Amino acid sequence: LAKTTQPISMDSYEGQEVNITCSHNNIATNDYITWYQQFPSQGPRFIIQGYKTKVTNEVASLFIPADRKSSTLSLPRVSLSDTAVYYCLVGEKNYGQNFVFGPGTRLSVLP
Amino acid sequence: GAGVSQSPSNKVTEKGKDVELRCDPISGHTALYWYRQSLGQGLEFLIYFQGNSAPDKSGLPSDRFSAERTGGSVSTLTIQRTQQEDSAVYLCASSYRTDNGYTFGSGTRLTVV
Repeated sequence: LAKTTQPISMDSYEGQEVNITCSHNNIATNDYITWYQQFPSQGPRFIIQGYKTKVTNEVASLFIPADRKSSTLSLPRVSLSDTAVYYCLVGEKNYGQNFVFGPGTRLSVLP
Repeated sequence: GAGVSQSPSNKVTEKGKDVELRCDPISGHTALYWYRQSLGQGLEFLIYFQGNSAPDKSGLPSDRFSAERTGGSVSTLTIQRTQQEDSAVYLCASSYRTDNGYTFGSGTRLTVV
């Protein structure tokens, strides 16, 4: 399983765009990149998944460069409720793969 | 139900006692996972069930930990002779396909005193 590296913490202000970058230098050909969000006292929640280029949904965008050795989760116009831990995971898209969760990035959104 | 249900939500037990934690996955989800999360830490994989295949137990920390999944649905994680280091939130997740990732339950907070 590919190892990921992401910042331990980030601060932002309400209304700003937040970009969290994840490094995964040994990503394999069949690996996908998946991001989860976790609030205190809750289980993680799926945000977005992608393989290459750009993926966008109602919550976030995911940018993946051509070499796929990193990816950036972009949260537009964050609010206080976006304060959470964000996890970047890399693994095959075969359903049932046991992704490895690292320590994640603790995002604090300030008023 | 619409989501993954775990029970109990909180469990306090004395050191040395056995505990059982239950997970009801989303109906139709063939894959089920157990993770453990200690305070302020990331998630630690414990065990994974996929349909009728033999479970992947590679994450279980010791032989005091075991899990079953009956009828391809409900799962029970059992911890025997609990120790204080077993204190954590135990999270269950299920999936049908990874197109939308896993769906996690809210977890069981286990405190061993």
